[in-house]
Order: sequence, then C-alpha cells, then structure tokens
Amino acid sequence: EVQLVESGGGLVQPGGSLRLSCAASGFTVSSNYMSWVRQAPGKGLEWVSVIYSGGSTYYADSVKGRFTISRDNSKNTLYLQMNSLRAEDTAVYYCARGDSGGDCYPSWGQGTLVTVSS
Amino acid sequence: SYVLTQPPSVSVAPGQTARITCGGNNIGSKSVHWYQQKPGQAPVLVVYDDSDRPSGIPERFSGSNSGNTATLTISRVEAGDEADYYCQVWDSSSDHPLYVFGTGTKVTVL
Repeated sequence: EVQLVESGGGLVQPGGSLRLSCAASGFTVSSNYMSWVRQAPGKGLEWVSVIYSGGSTYYADSVKGRFTISRDNSKNTLYLQMNSLRAEDTAVYYCARGDSGGDCYPSWGQGTLVTVSS
Repeated sequence: SYVLTQPPSVSVAPGQTARITCGGNNIGSKSVHWYQQKPGQAPVLVVYDDSDRPSGIPERFSGSNSGNTATLTISRVEAGDEADYYCQVWDSSSDHPLYVFGTGTKVTVL
C-alpha cells in the first residue's frame, strides 16, 4: 500500500527557513515523479515543485529561487527546503506521487501546516 | 501561464446530477484530471485522463473534455459527495513543465 507521511511543518518567522520531509512507503520515490502542492487557508490547491525520476526539478514562479526540492533514495524520502519564507507561504503542504503513465497525482500525504508569522 | 477556471459553487439536490466545468484555452487538447477534497482531508483523485476512474471510485463520477471546457459529472448525487472539486492539467507551453490546478468548485448537496 502506498503511504506518504509529511513532517517538518510549524511556525516560522518571515525570512526564516524550514525543511519539510515526506516519508514514502509501498513504492520507490526515485522511480516516480514527486511533487509538493500547497493550500493556503481557505484557498485552492497550488502546485509548488516537482522532481522527476531522472533528477530534473522545476518550480512554480512564486517559489523559484527560495525553495529546493530533493530526495534521499536511501531513506525513500522527499524533501522541500524552504528559505526566505514569506507570510504568503503560509499553507498546508502536501507531497504527492505522480502517476507513472500520466501527469496526475493518484497518491497524497495528509499534509503538514506551515505558518509564517512574527 | 495556463489558467483553469471553475465556477465557485454548484448546488444540487440528492439524487440529481451535478456538473462541474473547467475552462481553459484549448483544454480539449490536454488530459484533464479531477480531485475531490473534503474538509480537513487531502485531495483524492476521482477522474484521470479526462474520463477514466481510479479503482474504488464509483461509476457515478464521469468526465468529458472538448474544446475549451472539461466537465466532471456526478450522477445520483449523495450527501457524501459534498466537497471541493479541482481540475488539473499538465502544461508544457512555457519553458518548463507546470502542473496547473483549477480554481476549485464547492459542491453543496441541498
């Protein structure tokens, strides 16, 4: 069974940093494309970043240059390093597994809340 | 950037049919996916590649896509279908791939 468990969220001051983790089980992270998707309070879903099986990474314009997606194959874990955080980055962050044959997300974690506030 | 527009809300009586639209420029040329999200929960994929259903999703959920509009149809609506619904596509028109979500539609069962 595919499982994704996020951790690392919390309260951080503007300008601060935070690293989110997504521990995967039931599949191999490095064999799939993996993404982070966020949802601000009361708002819709916003795609944040993707890492492909070959290692290529891409970001939404809103986080480019501040966020870094990575993975640790030995731990089967996905990460999101978030620097220079802003109030508008406040959201629940979900990790999601991409479909091997397409471009949808059949599996999601439960999410972790990041609050950027002084 | 590619934009997907959904109506903010749709209301439907139990047993009736709900139709949720997702508008985008020539969206008919893309594969559209739909997610259901209930309060406090993660999204769940209910339709992928325009009209396919993942295992475990009732046949009451169906999809279509043509021209500039994709549609998620929920037949014989039940109280448990009350949720937010999002469409999603993969857009390769920019200099790098993007995964775009629609603005979301809240379905209320009357």
